[in-house]
Amino acid sequence: EDQVTQSPEALRLQEGESSSLNCSYTVSGLRGLFWYRQDPGKGPEFLFTLYSAGEEKEKERLKATLTKKESFLHITAPKPEDSATYLCAVRSNSGGYQKVTFGTGTKLQVIP
Amino acid sequence: EAQVTQNPRYLITVTGKKLTVTCSQNMNHEYMSWYRQDPGLGLRQIYYSMNVEVTDKGDVPEGYKVSRKEKRNFPLILESPSPNQTSLYFCASSLSGTTEGYTFGSGTRLTVV
Repeated sequence: EDQVTQSPEALRLQEGESSSLNCSYTVSGLRGLFWYRQDPGKGPEFLFTLYSAGEEKEKERLKATLTKKESFLHITAPKPEDSATYLCAVRSNSGGYQKVTFGTGTKLQVIP
Repeated sequence: EAQVTQNPRYLITVTGKKLTVTCSQNMNHEYMSWYRQDPGLGLRQIYYSMNVEVTDKGDVPEGYKVSRKEKRNFPLILESPSPNQTSLYFCASSLSGTTEGYTFGSGTRLTVV
């Protein structure tokens, strides 16, 4: 069974204080790892897809990296508007179809 | 604007009273899916559809029905809602369902009393 574990559950940063969020995964046949941002009361918003170990993607202050067992979302010099819950998800070949499994998220709070 | 539209945003109902949550997308996406989000459990897939008239169960399909008669619409039906179906529901779509990320709707908060 596919598993996705995100850590920490919550993270509080001062504005400008860089850090990383972790997503550990166990899947059979990874077909993609996804990062989403979710603001309170809203649906998740797609950020990145990573397909193979060593791949990196960047968007503004966010950078996602992938290894064979985990992915990191690095946040450089965060601003208060980066406060949100960040979700990781994996797509794999499981049970004969392509299945997407989500982690429970990391709630990030950036304090001015 | 490209989007997934869910209605209603909030719904309070009583046990056993049939309800439908609508989902519509304007991006000509083949793939659509329903998720429920509960604290500590994350997003769990209820049903998905790879194309018109093609639907299949996700991880937690019990108590739910879906239909895909048109490409743009994917309603979620609760024939006899129970309190354990109180949750935040999201509809999502993607072009093919194989490689790209999903576009999510804004969610429907359902309370069954």
